[in-house]
This record gives sequence, C-alpha cells and structure tokens, in this order.
Amino acid sequence: EVQLVESGGGFLQPGGSLRLSCEASGFTFRSYWMSWVRQAPGKGLEWVANINQDGSEKYYVDSVKGRFTISRDNAKNSLYLQMNRLTVEDTAVYYCARDRGGYHIIDYWGQGTLVTVSS
Amino acid sequence: NFMLTQPHSVSESPGKTVTISCTDSSGSIASTYVQWYQQRPGSAPISVIYEYDQRPSGVPDRFSGSIDSSSNSASLTISGLKTEDEADYYCQSYHRTNHVLFGGGTKLTVL
Repeated sequence: EVQLVESGGGFLQPGGSLRLSCEASGFTFRSYWMSWVRQAPGKGLEWVANINQDGSEKYYVDSVKGRFTISRDNAKNSLYLQMNRLTVEDTAVYYCARDRGGYHIIDYWGQGTLVTVSS
Repeated sequence: NFMLTQPHSVSESPGKTVTISCTDSSGSIASTYVQWYQQRPGSAPISVIYEYDQRPSGVPDRFSGSIDSSSNSASLTISGLKTEDEADYYCQSYHRTNHVLFGGGTKLTVL
C-alpha cells in the first residue's frame, strides 16, 4: 500500500524558514517523480514543485522560485521542501504526492501538513 | 500562462447524473492527459480518473471521464449520485509552460 507521510509544518512569522519532509513507503521511491502541492485555507489546489527520480530535474511554480527548494534522499525514501523567506501567502496545507512523470499524473497523495505564516 | 477552467459549483439530486467540465485555455487538451481528483471536506484529494477516462482500482464505475477536442474540454460524469459523492472535484493536466496545472475546483452538492 502506497503511503506518504508529511511532517514539519508549523506556525511562523513572515520571513522565516521551514523544512517539510515526506516519508514514502509501499512503492519503489527511487523510480518515481515526486511533487509538492499546496492548498490555502478555503482555496483550490496549487502545484508547488516537482523533482525527478535522481534529483537532477526540478521545477517550481513561479511564485516560489528562488525561495523554495525541493530535494530527495532515495536512501531514506524521503522528499523534502525547504521554504525560505515565507510570506502570509504561503499559508497552506502542503501535500506530498507521487508524480508519474511524463505527463505528470499525480496518483497518490499524503494527508498534508499545515504551514501557517502570520505576524 | 494557461488555465484550466471549471464551474464553481454544481448540484443534483441523489440517483441522478451530473457532469463537471474542465476547459483548457491552451487549445491543446488532446495533446496532454487530464486527471480528476475528489476531495471531501477535511481530507486529502484522491484520484478518480486519470488519462482522460481511466479509473483507478477501487473507484466505482459510476465515475467516468471524457474529452471533447472541439470545445477543448474534458468532463467528469458521475451517474447514480450518492450523498457520499458530495465533495470538491479538481481537474489537472500538464503543459510545458506552466508545468503541472490544476483547475479551480468544482463543489458538488448532492441535495
């Protein structure tokens, strides 16, 4: 059974930094692209970033370029999102998701971790 | 940047059929796959349709997907509506420019 478990969310002030983690199990992690998707309170889904199998390709939505960094550790079956210079607009539930690559079909989602940025 | 446009909300009675549309502003919906996700309140999204019309295992055959190239849109149809189908539904596709795109979501109410 595919499982994705996020951690690392919390409450912080604008300008702060946070690192989210996602531990994967139930599939061969190193064989898949992975994505982060977020959802602001009461809003829709927004893709944030994804990374290919060996970490050599990374893509970001424009609003986080230069502030967020996606990475992975295949030995630990883990995905990460380093978030710097956070703003109130980054407040959201952040989901880790398995991404099939190619046409980037997202097929499994974690339960999400909440990041709240407020002064 | 391209967009996927969905109706904000739809409603229908139990037992009836409802269709939710997703229009691709790029004009090339047939060149990229469209997926659909269901999100119940307080829960993570789950996949209900992928590659336009494929159902993941465990998804009832009441859920079906299609595309209409002439209108550059994809559709999710749910037949035999049940109260448990009440949720938000999102379409998703991929474009080289925007990379991964989601529609704005459609709130389905089963009254």
